[in-house]
Amino acid sequence: DSGVTQTPKHLITATGQRVTLRCSPRSGDLSVYWYQQSLDQGLQFLIQYYNGEERAKGNILERFSAQQFPDLHSELNLSSLELGDSALYFCASSVNEGRTSYNEQFFGPGTRLTVL
Amino acid sequence: AQSVSQHNHHVILSEAASLELGCNYSYGGTVNLFWYVQYPGQHLQLLLKYFSGDPLVKGIKGFEAEFIKSKFSFNLRKPSVQWSDTAEYFCAVRPGNTGKLIFGQGTTLQVKP
Repeated sequence: DSGVTQTPKHLITATGQRVTLRCSPRSGDLSVYWYQQSLDQGLQFLIQYYNGEERAKGNILERFSAQQFPDLHSELNLSSLELGDSALYFCASSVNEGRTSYNEQFFGPGTRLTVL
Repeated sequence: AQSVSQHNHHVILSEAASLELGCNYSYGGTVNLFWYVQYPGQHLQLLLKYFSGDPLVKGIKGFEAEFIKSKFSFNLRKPSVQWSDTAEYFCAVRPGNTGKLIFGQGTTLQVKP
């Protein structure tokens, strides 16, 4: 158990719908990262938040957005869902912003999203 | 563009065989390097990491990796694999100017008892 929690574990929805994935970082961690794991794209970085502010953006679609709340939990919002959005979405957390050395990311169990 | 390449997509070994998984990255600056393991149905767990210093790093469960800067490589090794090592292995790089991890495609290791 990494200490990072994600809900829900599984989510099944239809095309065109909107879903929200939730992540709670380890106690004391200020950074949250979102990654998408799919068969064709592998594990890809989506976005990072540090202490409530966006810090880095990766290959995140415009239909996707995220935020980090004052209690440091984060939500990833996926809208106008397409079949290709079906994937495992991981959240990770780290103590600091991540650009310094000795930064280690701890991963949550993931949310498996299936779009039908 | 920054990228990580894992040479082996699927490896099948018998128990007690030696393992080496290749990983190369493309980034000219300072990097941190990681190997993660994902057991079936579980989340990613850190096997080992390299930040600086001795390029030969030892991780959990008898795994080790060697950072060869001139070759942009960070290969994972284990002298004798066990059936319980069956999992997917990911090499990851953190470029020095960012917090994000760039992952390789992953290598599925199947160990036959």
